[in-house]
Amino acid sequence: KQEVTQIPAALSVPEGENLVLNCSFTDSAIYNLQWFRQDPGKGLTSLLLIQSSQREQTSGRLNASLDKSSGRSTLYIAASQPGDSATYLCAVGGAGKSTFGDGTTLTVKP
Amino acid sequence: GAVVSQHPSWVICKSGTSVKIECRSLDFQATTMFWYRQFPKQSLMLMATSNEGSKATYEQGVEKDKFLINHASLTLSTLTVTSAHPEDSSFYICSGVGGLNTEAFFGQGTRLTVV
Repeated sequence: KQEVTQIPAALSVPEGENLVLNCSFTDSAIYNLQWFRQDPGKGLTSLLLIQSSQREQTSGRLNASLDKSSGRSTLYIAASQPGDSATYLCAVGGAGKSTFGDGTTLTVKP
Repeated sequence: GAVVSQHPSWVICKSGTSVKIECRSLDFQATTMFWYRQFPKQSLMLMATSNEGSKATYEQGVEKDKFLINHASLTLSTLTVTSAHPEDSSFYICSGVGGLNTEAFFGQGTRLTVV
């Protein structure tokens, strides 16, 4: 059974800092890995999707990497802004079904 | 990417009533739909998997008679929470997968509050 762990559970940083969120998974037989953002009381916003054959994906200030063999993914956020404050979820995809981590709650202080 | 439209985005209902949540795949045929729920301060957990035209498969601990899932067409799946109680208050979200594709596309989610 796939298990997904996200570290840290919470993170508070001053505006402008670069930061890394971590996601680890136990079963490397995955199809893809997706990072989402969830604002309080809201739905999911897809940030980046990495297929199992890919090593990384970039979108603006976000960069996600995937190392299937070690069961790890990182989400790098450059030059953080207060608007980045949210919970970030990692979802490991296996033939359609996704297993989610518990998330990292990020607070960026002005 | 493909779009899954989930409706309503939020709903408040009285205890004992039933609530239906719809997920429509707008630009692809969703052969499989997955339904998840998220309790406050917890992560999303898979509730059930449904294939078009078949009965849904429920995860352990999910009451199939309480959470009715219908996937009668390739573009529509519904989740009905029957005789809802306050403990059913949660965030429910669906995702759809089409054919041999393995990428799942998520709906916007529905926040259910039972009072």
